[in-house]
Amino acid sequence: DAKTTQPTSMDCAEGRAANLPCNHSTISGNEYVYWYRQIHSQGPQYIIHGLKNNETNEMASLIITEDRKSSTLILPHATLRDTAVYYCIVRGAHQGGSEKLVFGKGTKLTVNP
Amino acid sequence: KAGVTQTPRYLIKTRGQQVTLSCSPISGHRSVSWYQQTPGQGLQFLFEYFSETQRNKGNFPGRFSGRQFSNSRSEMNVSTLELGDSALYLCASTKGGKWATDTQYFGPGTRLTVL
Repeated sequence: DAKTTQPTSMDCAEGRAANLPCNHSTISGNEYVYWYRQIHSQGPQYIIHGLKNNETNEMASLIITEDRKSSTLILPHATLRDTAVYYCIVRGAHQGGSEKLVFGKGTKLTVNP
Repeated sequence: KAGVTQTPRYLIKTRGQQVTLSCSPISGHRSVSWYQQTPGQGLQFLFEYFSETQRNKGNFPGRFSGRQFSNSRSEMNVSTLELGDSALYLCASTKGGKWATDTQYFGPGTRLTVL
């Protein structure tokens, strides 16, 4: 089962920031938070990941709370092309590998003109 | 750098047939994972291959199998197709290091329709 909880859907106006929350209250110390998005019928696209510190890249920012029990993905200036399902995934570092990702249902973000 | 490629992109089969899907990982990546996505069950992990060995397996029947070649390319096979096997099949690759923290990059998927 997925270790994360996300709202089913969210709306955002084009040009505004989109803030997508994720709860992962059972996260353990060596587990990372990953975000992917999937535009209809395409393969999931990696966005960003983090362990403890806030992270930023050209696509988004990831804010992780100090207790690491929740995080927020921020798309600073949402465009219509950001309409997608966004998945928050908790993933551990396991010696010996095992690359399994457990996807929940994600958040359907709709960016409106 | 080229991304993960999957062939074919679309496939139509009939019940009882078998199908083979192919995945070429990003150059230098040694781990390939396969996922099935359906509207009802969402994205579910099938199996993962690293250095030609299956390293992890999801909860799917034995009709679903895979393999990996020495160049890291991977194939998955589904035998005796059922209507419920209609899905988007995704593969993802990572460097596959000793510690599983590498980012997985997904291909565009193969849309399989079983009639």
